[in-house]
Amino acid sequence: DTAVSQTPKYLVTQMGNDKSIKCEQNLGHDTMYWYKQDSKKFLKIMFSYNNKELIINETVPNRFSPKSPDKAHLNLHINSLELGDSAVYFCASSQSDGPGANVLTFGAGSRLTVL
Amino acid sequence: KQEVTQIPAALSVPEGENLVLNCSFTDSAIYNLQWFRQDPGKGLTSLLLIQSSQREQTSGRLNASLDKSSGRSTLYIAASQPGDSATYLCALSGYSTLTFGKGTMLLVSP
Repeated sequence: DTAVSQTPKYLVTQMGNDKSIKCEQNLGHDTMYWYKQDSKKFLKIMFSYNNKELIINETVPNRFSPKSPDKAHLNLHINSLELGDSAVYFCASSQSDGPGANVLTFGAGSRLTVL
Repeated sequence: KQEVTQIPAALSVPEGENLVLNCSFTDSAIYNLQWFRQDPGKGLTSLLLIQSSQREQTSGRLNASLDKSSGRSTLYIAASQPGDSATYLCALSGYSTLTFGKGTMLLVSP
């Protein structure tokens, strides 16, 4: 059974479109994250939710809007896609949100290509 | 702000060699340090986690060390195998987030 699953795995779309990436974890974890890995392979935190509440919101354009309907799901909606949004987006989860003692479990990633 | 540097960026070795991957960081106020493995087109797999109070952790052929005073960690891989080929990332844990290095791409040739 997949612990953290993301869909879709690949997404190719035109500039200006709106798209969503979904994430679900079946580990019973309280905290979920979205990370972005750019073309230089640099992984950076975007958002973190603990029990459906936003706890971390890094400097990310407001075209990106996370939604957590319950603690097992954290979806990422992106409006008005731009070329620079092309990246691999990783969802992750951990037991709780701190203090840093938790091992993160990552999904397989969703590769977004904006043309 | 935490900055994490991994050296080398890429490494190619023949099978059977022992090797060391390096990670340095600027802020020693960390809770733990993790080493991850990333295979192409796949997610990240946690290999080892060292708490800030620990000096090293071992798992099979892997040994990770942590020296907070010098801001360094190493991942030692013994008797490397082609299946070890992947990108290895170190990540430093603050209160709620991980700060990643850019990784070392390892290729172990048969």
